[in-house]
Amino acid sequence: DTGVSQDPRHKITKRGQNVTFRCDPISEHNRLYWYRQTLGQGPEFLTYFQNEAQLEKSRLLSDRFSAERPKGSFSTLEIQRTEQGDSAMYLCASSPRDPKGSTDTQYFGPGTRLTVL
Amino acid sequence: DQQVKQNSPSLSVQEGRISILNCDYTNSMFDYFLWYKKYPAEGPTFLISISSIKDKNEDGRFTVFLNKSAKHLSLHIVPSQPGDSAVYFCAATTDSWGKLQFGAGTQVVVTP
Repeated sequence: DTGVSQDPRHKITKRGQNVTFRCDPISEHNRLYWYRQTLGQGPEFLTYFQNEAQLEKSRLLSDRFSAERPKGSFSTLEIQRTEQGDSAMYLCASSPRDPKGSTDTQYFGPGTRLTVL
Repeated sequence: DQQVKQNSPSLSVQEGRISILNCDYTNSMFDYFLWYKKYPAEGPTFLISISSIKDKNEDGRFTVFLNKSAKHLSLHIVPSQPGDSAVYFCAATTDSWGKLQFGAGTQVVVTP
């Protein structure tokens, strides 16, 4: 399977703890995106990378959040001092730099479900 | 500021009939629109997209219609099948590989 993978799939933590999630994009996809989805809502954009460069960050990404893609391949999203409001599904997606027709778009991983107690 | 809206949280349709899902947007700079399907415990799966220079795109049982003057798009699924039961998200972007803005989703249930 060469799809987007995310690890872990589920994470339960106590308020105040730090957590880190990993995303492995589809091989050779230059762009990598992080989204957050809460119950009853659609995914909300957090940030994206082209290769190792972080090109845009949402206002949702407070200073407790940091994302990296050090070698332009996998990415990590770290949340420091977690709060109950951070509980959500964190989704990663990847896309090729040059879409080949209208069907090339963002391909999502299965997500990491974070629960902050 | 919700720029993409799906005002129907749920839709029930009989197997074999047509499902019509609607989506409205407010940002006239959007130039690329997509529909995703999501099953529980899985990430969204891309279904179909349309560029703002077109008003219709078809792929098998799925057709997306875009009405730019009304800032409205719709997804038609015909015929509907039980496997189509899922949450469908409308998304839009100002470039074909930039950040996506999603609607809140429509839960579709296809009954036998």
